[in-house]
Amino acid sequence: KQEVTQIPAALSVPEGENLVLNCSFTDSAIYNLQWFRQDPGKGLTSLLLIQSSQREQTSGRLNASLDKSSGRSTLYIAASQPGDSATYLCAVSNSGGSNYKLTFGKGTLLTVNP
Amino acid sequence: SAVISQKPSRDICQRGTSLTIQCQVDSQVTMMFWYRQQPGQSLTLIATANQGSEATYESGFVIDKFPISRPNLTFSTLTVSNMSPEDSSIYLCSVEGGATDTQYFGPGTRLTVL
Repeated sequence: KQEVTQIPAALSVPEGENLVLNCSFTDSAIYNLQWFRQDPGKGLTSLLLIQSSQREQTSGRLNASLDKSSGRSTLYIAASQPGDSATYLCAVSNSGGSNYKLTFGKGTLLTVNP
Repeated sequence: SAVISQKPSRDICQRGTSLTIQCQVDSQVTMMFWYRQQPGQSLTLIATANQGSEATYESGFVIDKFPISRPNLTFSTLTVSNMSPEDSSIYLCSVEGGATDTQYFGPGTRLTVL
């Protein structure tokens, strides 16, 4: 059974700092991995998706890496801003097509202080 | 991308009653997913709903407790039946974004059972 762990559970940083969020998963035979952002009352927003054959994906100030063999992914946020404050969730799928389903970690609550 | 709306956004219900949550997508999708997020926990998949077939439930979730309808390619409902305080959670609807496998989520329904 796939299990996803995110460390740290909470993180508070001053504005402008670069930071790294960590995600680990127990079953390395993944189909893909996604990072989401969750804002209160607004559901989840997909930030980055990494296919199992990829090592990293970038979008603006965000960079996600994937090391399947070690069961780890990191989300790097450059030059953090107060608007980045949210809960960041990592999720993996072990299958595609009709068997596609995501297993989520509990998330990292990020606070960026002005 | 897909835009998803859910109704109601929140509700407070009495023990023993039932609540039906609606999920509307702005485009036709094959697979719709229902998740539950209990306080302080990660998202857990309840079931996958495909149009024209019975929903597929994950371990620990049963149709009598969480009946799902999927009458067409843009709409689904989840009913939480015979509610107890343990059902207090955020319930989220999501869809898969076609070839990219990106998952899109609705804003969620925050349910409190007294």
